[in-house]
Parts: sequence; C-alpha cells; structure tokens
Amino acid sequence: DAKTTQPPSMDCAEGRAANLPCNHSTISGNEYVYWYRQIHSQGPQYIIHGLKNNETNEMASLIITEDRKSSTLILPHATLRDTAVYYCIVVNYGGSQGNLIFGKGTKLSVKP
Amino acid sequence: GAGVSQSPRYKVAKRGQDVALRCDPISGHVSLFWYQQALGQGPEFLTYFQNEAQLDKSGLPSDRFFAERPEGSVSTLKIQRTQQEDSAVYLCASSLVATGINYGYTFGSGTRLTVV
Repeated sequence: DAKTTQPPSMDCAEGRAANLPCNHSTISGNEYVYWYRQIHSQGPQYIIHGLKNNETNEMASLIITEDRKSSTLILPHATLRDTAVYYCIVVNYGGSQGNLIFGKGTKLSVKP
Repeated sequence: GAGVSQSPRYKVAKRGQDVALRCDPISGHVSLFWYQQALGQGPEFLTYFQNEAQLDKSGLPSDRFFAERPEGSVSTLKIQRTQQEDSAVYLCASSLVATGINYGYTFGSGTRLTVV
C-alpha cells in the first residue's frame, strides 16, 4: 500500500473549518483514500473515503486532487469534540481484506 | 451489541505472566482485526480473521502471541510470558464484509496492557 505524509499537528479555532492535508504521491489506480480519527482513549473512528471524486458525508468532506497525489479532509465547523489524531490511509482492495496501515497522523487541536 | 466490545479495559500483568484479551465484534461481522498501538504511535496490524479462519497473522511480533476466533464471532488474543515491550493498547476492529470496498471498520476502545 502507498505511504502517506501528514503534518504532525495543526490548530484550529472552534467554529472555523479545519483543513487537514495528506500527501500520497505514490498512490496507484486501485487504491482508495480513507480517513479515520482517534479521540483520546478511544479506538479509531471511520470518517470518510474516496477514490477520485470528492466526497461529502455528515461528518466531513474529502477533496482529492485530479492527479490523486494528495487529498484534504475538511471539517466545516470544527468543535472542541473534533480534537483528535486524524489518520489518512491508502487502501488497496485488489482481492485483499484491506488491512489498514496507520502512520502517525495529524494531531488536530480545536481551541475555543 | 451496538459496537465492538473489548475486555478487560485495563490489564496489569507481571513480566512472565500469560494474558488473554477478549473481543466481541458487531454481530454478523465477517472480518475481524487485531491491532497493537504503542504510546504515541499509530495502530499496527497484528492479525486478521475472516469468520473463523485466520487468513493473515503476519503482524504477530513473536510466537508468544496467539489469536483465535473458533466460532467466527468472539476472538481472543493471548500473549504468553509477557515482556515489558508488550505494554500497549490492543485494539480490535470488525467489518461486515469479507473483501472489497467497505464503509470503514468499527473499532473497539481497546485493552490497555501494562507489563510490570
């Protein structure tokens, strides 16, 4: 699976949009981009995933560049409860169960 | 249940002791994963089950680690002769599907193992 690069930490003001970048320059055509987050003392929580089109759900939006080498997770109105470590993961579903390879993620701190 | 349940939530073991960690996945979920998360690191894959079959155990760090899922539901991760380097949070995740695209895995809250 392709490796990802994320900034180690970011701050965001409460109520503002949080934009979390991820670089996956070696992604291949059948690999999906997944985002998970992990709030302190909890297990990771699925947020969103995409292949090449932008995606939106009730939690967030995922913007994937046309060349698919990077993506941005957008939390439109961050709250204090969004403080967590956010993981960007590239997953290959070519016949496998899609084991998740986590990096160190981005620690997002939402401040009042 | 509504989510993935793991027990115990915390475990303190003396070095050399055997431990057993339990995972109750969401009912009907076919796939089950175990991960190990050291302090300050992302989770690392240990092993994968599809129903009762253990299809991948490439992440188990040594032969002291053993996992089973005999009836395709509850799974147990056993660590024999625990060492200090085994101290970590052990996470279990389950998924409805066996292969292919899925809408995310559901993780439990983990078992924090401390070996003293």
